[in-house]
Order: sequence, then structure tokens, then C-alpha cells
Amino acid sequence: KNQVEQSPQSLIILEGKNCTLQCNYTVSPFSNLRWYKQDTGRGPVSLTIMTFSENTKSNGRYTATLDADTKQSSLHITASQLSDSASYICVVRASGGSYIPTFGRGTSLIVHP
Amino acid sequence: DSGVTQTPKHLITATGQRVTLRCSPRSGDLSVYWYQQSLDQGLQFLIQYYNGEERAKGNILERFSAQQFPDLHSELNLSSLELGDSALYFCASSVGAEANYGYTFGSGTRLTVV
Repeated sequence: KNQVEQSPQSLIILEGKNCTLQCNYTVSPFSNLRWYKQDTGRGPVSLTIMTFSENTKSNGRYTATLDADTKQSSLHITASQLSDSASYICVVRASGGSYIPTFGRGTSLIVHP
Repeated sequence: DSGVTQTPKHLITATGQRVTLRCSPRSGDLSVYWYQQSLDQGLQFLIQYYNGEERAKGNILERFSAQQFPDLHSELNLSSLELGDSALYFCASSVGAEANYGYTFGSGTRLTVV
């Protein structure tokens, strides 16, 4: 069964600090992995997409890494801002068969001033 | 504005009732997906329509149904509502049938069943 596990479930940091969110998956065969940001009460918005051959991808202060061998991904946020407070969701898609992606339950990040 | 429009934004109704949620996909997108997000739960895939036809089905209850119309807007019908159906319902759209370029999500409809 395809699964996506995220950790930690929630995280509180001070403004300006860095943090790293983790995603482990069992989706196979692997096609791609996306990180989404979901503000409270809003729809998720894509931050990055990574395919099998990509190890690192950046989008401003967000840097995602992928280790396809260990089936792990991380999202690193640098110099956090209050606006980074949101839920971060890891979504993994398989190739072939069911193309409906598997969503993780998300990490809730709160940035305090 | 993502380009995906969901109405209404909020809905409060009583147990046993029936409601209809509406979604207009982003211009040019042919696929519409419906997701349910309960409190502290991940997004659960319900159903997908592509160009008017049902394409994929997830954990959708028999009390729920959906359709996509010729103008590509979609409606999710929820009947015999229970307290546990209270959740955020998101619609997403994509260009193709297999969302190779990912989804665009709407802002959701918050359903409260009392």
C-alpha cells in the first residue's frame, strides 16, 4: 500500500530561524514528489516538484531534497518568516497504474515573532 | 486567485440534509478532482472527472456523488449528512487526465453539519 509519512506532526520556531521537515514514502514505482504549502482555511499551493533524477531543488527560501534510494525527502526553510506559518504537505505520485497521488498528513509549522 | 472557483465558501446544515458543492476549474483544465479534509486529517481523494467522464474513484461514500457538466464545472452532492461529514472539501483541476503538471486547488468549501 502506498503511504506517505511526515514528521514532525507540528513544529514551533522563532522568526528568523531555519527548520527542516521530513517526508518518508513507500510509493512505488516512484514518479515524482511535490511539497505543497497550505495556509489555514485555504487550498494547498505547490512549492516544488522533484523527479527521480533530482536531488535538490530550491524555490526562494525553500529547498527540497530527495533521496530516491532511501525514499526520503526533506523541505528546508531558511530564515523563517511569520508568513511561513502553514501546513506543509508532501505528495508522492507513482508511475503507471493509479496516477492519483498519495498525500501525507502534513507538518503544521508555526513561526513566532 | 488560483483560477479554481469553489462555491459556497461556507455551508452550515443539519444532519440528514443534502447539499451541493460547486467547482469551476481553471481555464483550459479538463480534469476536476474532489478531496475531503477533516480536522487534523490529510487530504482524502474522493473522485476525479475528466472531460465529463468519471476517471478515478477514491474513498467516496455511497451517500456522495459527483458529476462534471459540458462546460466542465463540477458538482459534489452530499446526502443524508452526518456529523462526521463536517470537513473542508477541496476541488482541484489539471490540464490532462493524469495531472502530470500537478494540481491547482481551489480555496475550499467548509461544511459544518449540526
